[in-house]
Amino acid sequence: SQKIEQNSEALNIQEGKTATLTCNYTNYSPAYLQWYRQDPGRGPVFLLLIRENEKEKRKERLKVTFDTTLKQSLFHITASQPADSATYLCALDMNNFNKFYFGSGTKLNVKP
Amino acid sequence: KAGVTQTPRYLIKTRGQQVTLSCSPISGHRSVSWYQQTPGQGLQFLFEYFSETQRNKGNFPGRFSGRQFSNSRSEMNVSTLELGDSALYLCASSLSVGSQNTGELFFGEGSRLTVL
Repeated sequence: SQKIEQNSEALNIQEGKTATLTCNYTNYSPAYLQWYRQDPGRGPVFLLLIRENEKEKRKERLKVTFDTTLKQSLFHITASQPADSATYLCALDMNNFNKFYFGSGTKLNVKP
Repeated sequence: KAGVTQTPRYLIKTRGQQVTLSCSPISGHRSVSWYQQTPGQGLQFLFEYFSETQRNKGNFPGRFSGRQFSNSRSEMNVSTLELGDSALYLCASSLSVGSQNTGELFFGEGSRLTVL
C-alpha cells in the first residue's frame, strides 16, 4: 500500500534561516505532488504543486523539488519568519479523481 | 469569491447517533471530496463526488456515506457513531475540469465532531 513519510518531529529553526522539510513515498509513482500548510484548527491551504516531469518549482520564498528516482520531495522556505510556523503536509495524487494521500505533516516552529 | 463553507463547525454526538455534515464548494467547482483528520491517522480520504456521482471512495466502513446535489453542494453522513469517529471532517472542492484541472484542493475549515 502507499506510504508517505514526513518527519513527525517538529522542526525548530531561527528566523531568517532556510527551513527544509522532507516527504518520502513508496510503492507509487504519482503524476504530481502538492504541499499544503495547515494552521491549528483550520483547513489545509494549498501552497505548491510540482509535476513528475519537473525537477524544481518556486513561488516567492518557497521552493519544491521532486526526485522521482529517490521518491522524495523537499520543501524549502527561505528567509523564514515566525509567521511561517505551521504544519506542512505533502500530498500525492493517485491518478484517480482527486483522491490524494497525505503525509502526517511536519510542524515547523520559526523562532524570532 | 467565497471559499468552501462547512457546517456545522462543531458538534457533539453520542455513540449510536447519526450525523450529517454539509459542504458548499467554491462557485464553479464541481468536484467535492471529503477527508477525515485525526491526530493518529492524519488526513484520510473518504470519498469524492463530481456532478452528483461518486467517483472514488476510501477505505471506510459503509456507515460513512455522502451525496452531491445538482448545485454541487455535498453532504456526508455517518450513522451509528462510534467513539473513534471523533475527528475533524474536511471538505475540499476543486475545479477538476480537463486541462483546467490543476489538482489544487481548496479546503473548508472543517466540522469538528466529538462522539461521547
